[in-house]
Amino acid sequence: DTEVTQTPKHLVMGMTNKKSLKCEQHMGHRAMYWYKQKAKKPPELMFVYSYEKLSINESVPSRFSPECPNSSLLNLHLHALQPEDSALYLCASSQDVSGAGTRAYNEQFFGPGTRLTVL
Amino acid sequence: AQSVAQPEDQVNVAEGNPLTVKCTYSVSGNPYLFWYVQYPNRGLQFLLKYITGDNLVKGSYGFEAEFNKSQTSFHLKKPSALVSDSALYFCAVRDEGNNRKLIWGLGTSLAVNP
Repeated sequence: DTEVTQTPKHLVMGMTNKKSLKCEQHMGHRAMYWYKQKAKKPPELMFVYSYEKLSINESVPSRFSPECPNSSLLNLHLHALQPEDSALYLCASSQDVSGAGTRAYNEQFFGPGTRLTVL
Repeated sequence: AQSVAQPEDQVNVAEGNPLTVKCTYSVSGNPYLFWYVQYPNRGLQFLLKYITGDNLVKGSYGFEAEFNKSQTSFHLKKPSALVSDSALYFCAVRDEGNNRKLIWGLGTSLAVNP
């Protein structure tokens, strides 16, 4: 199974709602990522989990809260979002987050994304 | 600082013609380079990577990329374009000095005309 799945595909929420995005992979990857992508722009890294521990937080506002319950699952909890948070949220996984100077296999596999609209 | 540039916002090519999507990079040390494609309303798909070895890298869907160290380029190529190749293409380089995150180009929109 070489697929990363994300649910839901679309989400519309109000600024006072609480919702969660889910991501799952069964490739045995030990690194998982959340990205935010605006239309026709490159993805912006939000969080990286390595071996189920948060290793990178790109100064993301606390209204976004990641969680990695196990090595196959990644969640993004959303609360009190703003309209400017509307975007495509992409999950990705890779074999691991390689050490500096290594030439290890490190390409990321992306899910189809969740299209989030905040009203 | 590490960076990657895609000098063309848009590339238009006729079906059956060869296509090239350009990418140049600036890194200290050896580069780790990637190409991804994004079809409309889809996530990104990995096409190919350069880590070391042969300068011509072959990838998915008939794409290949040529690594040129002297010109610091990693252009994506395909001998014969298909209409279905129309998509947004991103070049990326791994930032060895910053948690080995990917640094992304701004993307090139490829339109293949029938």
